[in-house]
Amino acid sequence: GQQLNQSPQSMFIQEGEDVSMNCTSSSIFNTWLWYKQDPGEGPVLLIALYKAGELTSNGRLTAQFGITRKDSFLNISASIPSDVGIYFCAGRAGGTSYGKLTFGQGTILTVHP
Amino acid sequence: DVKVTQSSRYLVKRTGEKVFLECVQDMDHENMFWYRQDPGLGLRLIYFSYDVKMKEKGDIPEGYSVSREKKERFSLILESASTNQTSMYLCASSAFLTGYEQFFGPGTRLTVL
Repeated sequence: GQQLNQSPQSMFIQEGEDVSMNCTSSSIFNTWLWYKQDPGEGPVLLIALYKAGELTSNGRLTAQFGITRKDSFLNISASIPSDVGIYFCAGRAGGTSYGKLTFGQGTILTVHP
Repeated sequence: DVKVTQSSRYLVKRTGEKVFLECVQDMDHENMFWYRQDPGLGLRLIYFSYDVKMKEKGDIPEGYSVSREKKERFSLILESASTNQTSMYLCASSAFLTGYEQFFGPGTRLTVL
């Protein structure tokens, strides 16, 4: 199947620092999504991107849909302890995909107070 | 609020047992998905269903089967559990028209001894 490479695999940061993570694919996606998984819970959607070049913000989170449609970036500004969790990128191909998503390996974020 | 529930949060089974994982969603979604989550591997799609009694293999269907007799319920079956099926299992659902956003249940952590 399609592969998404997400990096970094883990990050250990101090409260207040900015965070950047990215996702690259060998194939084109029509939609990019970023999810967050809190400990003991299922992933929850943070941001969805629908057009190449699109830049979207959700509070302290900003995500971009790469021009080539093969990559996406997520930035978190001024991190706080509740940002701890696993962040997943996901891509959706076009055509009759029935909403199938391909997920990255995840970035584990730890925030030290 | 969309709610996806899974029958158990934790499950311990023995090798060779038949295991049923149940998932129920309350938003009348057409699409339902089963993933397994392993550290460093992200979410991998096992099976999905886009309608009652319809199912499609995902990326790692071997050793699993599914059943969707009612729209709201999607079951994952391990015919003969093996230790390499010890994992976190996540169920998700999405609407047909806005299938990019998948809503996840809290997960079932399955241990096979």
